[in-house]
Amino acid sequence: DIVMTQSPDSLAVSLGERATINCKSSQSLLYNSNKKNYLAWYQQRPGQPPKLLIYWASTRESGVPDRFSGSGSGTDFSLTISSLQAEDVAVYFCQQYYSTPHTFGPGTKVHVK
Amino acid sequence: QVQLVQSGAEVKRPGASVKVSCKASGYTFEEYGFNYGITWVRQAPGQGLEWMGWISGYNDNTNYAQNLQGRVIMTTDTSTSTAYMELRSLTSDDTGVYFCARVKEEYGDPHWFDSWGQGTLVTVSS
Repeated sequence: DIVMTQSPDSLAVSLGERATINCKSSQSLLYNSNKKNYLAWYQQRPGQPPKLLIYWASTRESGVPDRFSGSGSGTDFSLTISSLQAEDVAVYFCQQYYSTPHTFGPGTKVHVK
Repeated sequence: QVQLVQSGAEVKRPGASVKVSCKASGYTFEEYGFNYGITWVRQAPGQGLEWMGWISGYNDNTNYAQNLQGRVIMTTDTSTSTAYMELRSLTSDDTGVYFCARVKEEYGDPHWFDSWGQGTLVTVSS
């Protein structure tokens, strides 16, 4: 199974400031035939189901604000919130869909400083 | 607008089974089954997300997490666009919120989960 790790576990950011979450996979998520990284990011607000933010490591889902961006390739990825808003307080999970089981990272909790 | 609506909370005794439903609206399994399957993810209290398995809309194949093999069955009813997840021989470790989600597929390969149900709390207690 591919093991996903995230850092930090928790992140306190002032409103309007940048937040960056890191995700690392135990093996490469880059599929050579199409040069795509099989990684997604989800946001889970308290008491809510997860919500898809990013797929293919950097493609923003329709309707997701452009302050959210994904980057990285191979085994190292990042999710950046360029200017934190109050509604961005949530836990963020990365997930690989390169192979089953589709494992998730343990999550990073983002809150307001 | 795609919506997945799950059945209500359940309380079960250890050793019992639970069956959770997930009804889709805004799209039908029959029309879009070629491109979308259904996956199930669970979340123990205060914990992270655990992938349980997936049923393909492309060919109805299933793929279950190794630790649930033999205890979980995922099915779909195309006529009602409803997916089901049955988990047997419940223990207290199965307590948590169970989510269904629509999974984007390409020729039967599952990708990201783009719409989620609201979650169903399953409590296993004697």
